[in-house]
Amino acid sequence: VQLVQSGAEVKKPGESLKISCKGSGYSFTSHWVGWVRQMPGKGLEWMGIIYPSDSDTRYSPSFQGQVTISADKSISTAYLQWSSLKASDSAMYYCARQYIANGGNLDYWGQGTLVTVSS
Amino acid sequence: DIQMTQSPSSLSASVGDRVTITCRASQSISTYLNWYQQKPGKAPKLLIYVASNLQSGVPSRFSGSGSGTDFTLTISSLQPEDFATYYCQQSYITPQTFGQGTKVEVK
Repeated sequence: VQLVQSGAEVKKPGESLKISCKGSGYSFTSHWVGWVRQMPGKGLEWMGIIYPSDSDTRYSPSFQGQVTISADKSISTAYLQWSSLKASDSAMYYCARQYIANGGNLDYWGQGTLVTVSS
Repeated sequence: DIQMTQSPSSLSASVGDRVTITCRASQSISTYLNWYQQKPGKAPKLLIYVASNLQSGVPSRFSGSGSGTDFTLTISSLQPEDFATYYCQQSYITPQTFGQGTKVEVK
């Protein structure tokens, strides 16, 4: 099982961005994929999850309306998207597979995508 | 949202020490509690799932217990590679919140 995320991004406030997370080594449509934010020097924040089979998506209220989570099951890839970035979006973003059969733990993680938003 | 509170926020320990970290949920989460280890610059790693189940490949010195609202992660004999930050996470209901983390440092 592997989750490979897209590379680091440097953007200006107001710009849009879409980062990706490609799964391999397992049935991508059989497991939820979650996104987790980690701001510099801070803890982990659960953002939301998507079920790639039917794109059922759940968001944390803290991130609802701020980001969009999507997936393309044909290429086993999940996405995290912003329409207008803010400096406060600067963080490391991780995707992870959620294994429902084992209580919903996040058992495999991507390597992380560092997003820097600065004018 | 369910709030997850870990204690302590940090601790200093020596190799060979027994270390205990607690996690309290703001409401009952049955046993839907997971523990992760994170080292600087690395992605988190799953250690324990459903409160007390050791993830494959994780050393047996790690153990978890608890149910309802109170949970514990124990490292029976701290090893050099165990100095890291540990997070609990509830997967009972969305949003699936994390604790604030416990940093285990060298004494």
